[in-house]
Formats: sequence, C-alpha cells, structure tokens
Amino acid sequence: GIQVEQSPPDLILQEGANSTLRCNFSDSVNNLQWFHQNPWGQLINLFYIPSGTKQNGRLSATTVATERYSLLYISSSQTTDSGVYFCAVALFYGGSQGNLIFGKGTKLSVKP
Amino acid sequence: NAGVTQTPKFQVLKTGQSMTLQCAQDMNHEYMSWYRQDPGMGLRLIHYSVGAGITDQGEVPNGYNVSRSTTEDFPLRLLSAAPSQTSVYFCASTSGQGRLDYGYTFGSGTRLTVV
Repeated sequence: GIQVEQSPPDLILQEGANSTLRCNFSDSVNNLQWFHQNPWGQLINLFYIPSGTKQNGRLSATTVATERYSLLYISSSQTTDSGVYFCAVALFYGGSQGNLIFGKGTKLSVKP
Repeated sequence: NAGVTQTPKFQVLKTGQSMTLQCAQDMNHEYMSWYRQDPGMGLRLIHYSVGAGITDQGEVPNGYNVSRSTTEDFPLRLLSAAPSQTSVYFCASTSGQGRLDYGYTFGSGTRLTVV
C-alpha cells in the first residue's frame, strides 16, 4: 500500500522562529491533508491540498503531486503551535473520497 | 452544528467485556470512518462506511464490528476487549464527491483502557 513519511519526527523551536515540515508519499494520490493535533488530543484540519499552494495566516502549504511531496510552513511560531502535525493522503474508491492514510507525524514544541 | 460527536470520552474496560463507542454526525456526510491512535503509530483505519448500509474493513479491523443503519450514526463495537485494544479512538466524516474543497471532520476522541 501507499506509504506516507514525515520529517523531521521531532522539532523544537524558539518562539518566533520559522519551520518547514515535509511529507513524502510513495504513490499518486487524489487527496492530501494536513492536520494539527493539539496537546489536548483534538485533530484540526489545516489544509486540504492535493496540489498547489494555500495559505492561512501564518501557515501555508505546498504540494507538488508530480514529485510526491508536500510541505507545511509555519512562520513566526507561537507556543500555541505546539502539538503533532500529521500529513494524510487518501485514495479514491468508486468516484467518492476514500480512506485517509496517515504519516506518523512531526511533534513540534515551541518554547517561549 | 455539532459536527462529529463521540461518546464516551473516557472508558475503562476489563478484559473480555464488550462495549460500543458511539459516533454521530449532523452534516449529512456520506463517508464515515473509525481510526485508532497508538503512540508512535499515527492513526490507523479500523472500519469505514461510504453510506448507510455499506461498511468495509480498514487496516486493523480484527476485534471490532461496525454497522451503518442511518447516515448520521456509525457505532464501533468491541466484542471481547483485549489489552491490545487500549488506544485512543477517533471517528471522522466527510462528504462525498462533488465538492471542490473538502476536508475530514474528526470527533474529539475516546480514550479506552482495557485492564
């Protein structure tokens, strides 16, 4: 099956620093999403980005589908950015959305 | 609009007991799924459903049953709990084809401990 690899596995930043998280996937996909799991365990959908670039405030994401990778950029990091960031891809079944396959995540700690 | 609601939030079971984790969504989503999250493993798919009356297995289905009698509800049943089923369980839903920009909505999770 398709493999999803995220790097780095752990990242420690000082507040205000910028960072880039990477997601590589082993096959063509029709759906790619980035999630943030906060310290309380809640999963928040950040971006649906099967291709191209999107921005939302201090966060932006770029997916290059032909090269099978996606990047999540966090600028001017804040302590509230701490948590685990997951990349997940989905395959289509029968024309409708399929099942999300998750990477193992990048654990981000932002220090004040 | 409540989104995806999971109950209970916490549960402790004894080995061999059975229980049902509830999941309900009010967004009229066709697709619903159950994941388990274990340390260092990310989230792994247990079962999913593409519509009422249709269910299928995911990556780790053993020990779990599901049914989908309505669009709104997708309960997960543990028939005979084992310590290996200690995990955090997430339910998720999303709409079907036709939307140009969509995402999955996750419930807040159920933390299950089997002793």
